[in-house]
Amino acid sequence: QSVLTQPPSASGTPGQRLSISCSGSSSNVGSSTVDWYQLLPGAAPKLLIHSDNQRPSGVPDRFSGSKSGTSASLAITGLQSEDEADYYCAAWDDTLYGRVFGGGTRVTVL
Amino acid sequence: QVQLQQSGPRLVRPSQTLSLTCGISGDSVSSNRAVWNWIRQSPSRGLEWLGRSYYRSRWHSNYALSGKGRIIINADTSKNQFSLQLRSVTPEDTAIYYCAREADAVSGAYDSWGQGTLVTVSS
Repeated sequence: QSVLTQPPSASGTPGQRLSISCSGSSSNVGSSTVDWYQLLPGAAPKLLIHSDNQRPSGVPDRFSGSKSGTSASLAITGLQSEDEADYYCAAWDDTLYGRVFGGGTRVTVL
Repeated sequence: QVQLQQSGPRLVRPSQTLSLTCGISGDSVSSNRAVWNWIRQSPSRGLEWLGRSYYRSRWHSNYALSGKGRIIINADTSKNQFSLQLRSVTPEDTAIYYCAREADAVSGAYDSWGQGTLVTVSS
């Protein structure tokens, strides 16, 4: 049971806009910045979004992040086949005094 | 460009200690702008943070409560690396283990990762 809640799966067709939610509490998402990671099969996780909505250099602007209160979202616009992957949100938890992750969302491009 | 290179055994017997090392190039384990983490991934639990170590005038470590006191993370400044020890392993500890840098430049996100080590706990 993950501390942060994500939908287990999401799907869309090429070109579509997809959104993944990440729900937490006042001790994590509500008081800390949220990061998003992409996991491709056989590869190490890749940082997509940090500080709620900041993209590291090299990350396509199709990926964007937002946060409101204790919920955050990752949006993928112009969905592409190479976006098929698992996506995880993460935040620091002040009560657990550690980093917590969501359960992950598997994105399928139909 | 920071690179993290993991090493360690891929098979560990139940009740034994899992030990992995993460060598750092392009940064210093003693940097006051980085924190060094271990994270694992398994089909049943997804990504799971295990703990971290960092230097801010002195060495600090934080561990996941779920580790139940089995986790030790140490830094070796002479080799510019840090290590993970997980004691009394069970088959539930079978996972891909990653080391990762938590950087001030990205507000504490993990911007560099090791290649991952699949560790199997089995007799």
